[in-house]
Amino acid sequence: ETGVTQSPTHLIKTRGQQVTLRCSSQSGHNTVSWYQQALGQGPQFIFQYYREEENGRGNFPPRFSGLQFPNYSSELNVNALELDDSALYLCASSSLGQGAIYGYTFGSGTRLTVV
Amino acid sequence: DQQVKQNSPSLSVQEGRISILNCDYTNSMFDYFLWYKKYPAEGPTFLISISSIKDKNEDGRFTVFLNKSAKHLSLHIVPSQPGDSAVYFCAASGIFGNEKLTFGTGTRLTIIP
Repeated sequence: ETGVTQSPTHLIKTRGQQVTLRCSSQSGHNTVSWYQQALGQGPQFIFQYYREEENGRGNFPPRFSGLQFPNYSSELNVNALELDDSALYLCASSSLGQGAIYGYTFGSGTRLTVV
Repeated sequence: DQQVKQNSPSLSVQEGRISILNCDYTNSMFDYFLWYKKYPAEGPTFLISISSIKDKNEDGRFTVFLNKSAKHLSLHIVPSQPGDSAVYFCAASGIFGNEKLTFGTGTRLTIIP
């Protein structure tokens, strides 16, 4: 059983640029969620996808967007990068309705630095 | 608005003793509460969860207690081991259509050999 894999592990971008982060869900999971973890903070929910549709969104602006593909892999896109977007971005997968009971499986994250 | 709070940024415990990590929440609509452990350069790892209709759940060395009237939960680790040194996050979740995790800010647990 494979876990959640994210790529790349580290990334440096310039303010105003666009970035795409990728995630492969754990085998058998049909939902994927993205979280942003700033330094010294807990992860903050960005959005969740189920069956390729957005299934919930946190308090993030529209320049944060996502995709889920038929094989349950996912992308997080951030446009017009700002310095405050510098953070660890975590992807988590689960089966719908079971994440809270059995735990969401997290990847190791992508560390994004915006300069 | 911090709906899930972990008021102790750090905790040190002697190896073999009990570690108690605390968490408070404000939203009475949460359905489940979860604890995650995080090592540096790794993603959070799920430890244990508890339904809002229960007051205790146990899994090996880990026990979570929920006090709904006080909106408080705690994680007990007995006995504490050096490998338990990590940052522990408390999180709360709804279910079925409201499955986002709301995390606390974490408590760094250090086990002293």
